[in-house]
Amino acid sequence: GEDVEQSLFLSVREGDSSVINCTYTDSSSTYLYWYKQEPGAGLQLLTYIFSNMDMKQDQRLTVLLNKKDKHLSLRIADTQTGDSAIYFCAERRGNTPLVFGKGTRLSVIA
Amino acid sequence: EADIYQTPRYLVIGTGKKITLECSQTMGHDKMYWYQQDPGMELHLIHYSYGVNSTEKGDLSSESTVSRIRTEHFPLTLESARPSHTSQYLCASSEMGSGASTQNTAKNIQYFGAGTRLSVL
Repeated sequence: GEDVEQSLFLSVREGDSSVINCTYTDSSSTYLYWYKQEPGAGLQLLTYIFSNMDMKQDQRLTVLLNKKDKHLSLRIADTQTGDSAIYFCAERRGNTPLVFGKGTRLSVIA
Repeated sequence: EADIYQTPRYLVIGTGKKITLECSQTMGHDKMYWYQQDPGMELHLIHYSYGVNSTEKGDLSSESTVSRIRTEHFPLTLESARPSHTSQYLCASSEMGSGASTQNTAKNIQYFGAGTRLSVL
């Protein structure tokens, strides 16, 4: 199948906002997810959004969905060193396993 | 909080040995998955199951095998380990769920274990 695309690296200064972008492939995808992976650990679900929503906010996290362009973004406000991790975008296509992007490695500079 | 457990967390083993990586979940989820991931790299789906006695191969060809005799267990076996099998193996589970309603979305979330880091010498 086609790939879910993410930029591989992002570097930001502590206290700034981080924006991680993702382009998905299936216009009929009903759910889109953001996962966080810290070194040596499994994936932790951060948030998800329905395809009939444009935005979802949860504390420092804001997810924006542009269905026309099949573009998903995750904004982290007031980025902290503890936010350094790999962030995976994923889409659900029907009743099949999630399709993951290759992950964006976020580095936070103190 | 997800209740999905993988053992062992770390395993160093010699070439040619048979190994089984364990994955258990206590959430009663029907769907379970195995992913292979090199450190800091993308996830590769190698096996999945939609219920007892159901197993499917994933996108990445793998020399491993799986079984699903009980809902809560989804072990992965390598009959003869090789250095090329050195990687991290992640197990995940989700409810069956279907449709696009709000109530069902939570059921489609994949919850991950902490992973098993395998080194084959």
